[in-house]
Amino acid sequence: DGGITQSPKYLFRKEGQNVTLSCEQNLNHDAMYWYRQDPGQGLRLIYYSQIVNDFQKGDIAEGYSVSREKKESFPLTVTSAQKNPTAFYLCATQDRLNQPQHFGDGTRLSIL
Amino acid sequence: RKEVEQDPGPFNVPEGATVAFNCTYSNSASQSFFWYRQDCRKEPKLLMSVYSSGNEDGRFTAQLNRASQYISLLIRDSKLSDSATYLCVVNLFVGQNFVFGPGTRLSVLP
Repeated sequence: DGGITQSPKYLFRKEGQNVTLSCEQNLNHDAMYWYRQDPGQGLRLIYYSQIVNDFQKGDIAEGYSVSREKKESFPLTVTSAQKNPTAFYLCATQDRLNQPQHFGDGTRLSIL
Repeated sequence: RKEVEQDPGPFNVPEGATVAFNCTYSNSASQSFFWYRQDCRKEPKLLMSVYSSGNEDGRFTAQLNRASQYISLLIRDSKLSDSATYLCVVNLFVGQNFVFGPGTRLSVLP
């Protein structure tokens, strides 16, 4: 979606390494979300934030961490504690509750 | 029972066909409903919101049946470009986030 930028598009993680995925938006949306999608599977919620300096765990938060220091930015760190990080990571924003979410074009993470 | 379930698919239909997908949800308090499409190795994109009275957007018609807790998507005159995975999404209101169904894959064949 225009206005949501995820980087990098492809990322490789070495054993024991932490990596950070970037998500930036210029839509002025309050809420931001991180999802994980495994091949042939649905989206699973990792973390979400509905306001700056506040965030909540989703269904599969273990091994991940986030921060929300600015409205525009919601980076996701995949820590070494996440033993199976290979997946497609999607960031989404939402203007208000009950409104649709809009997605960035994703980051593919693989293990070296 | 899973929160959101969809027809497993895949659906393989010829160009010009009409195809319908169903989606059921478990929580009767759900407030918002959407259909997204996702192309292979791409992000989901909003196709349409689903309103209580049903709504239409060109060749696409969405229906909501609250009593039976299901929503449907009808695609008329299928095009090759309609080939994608269609995701049903349900949102409880306060304090809950979107729940995505597993998706139904559609292939429109020449």
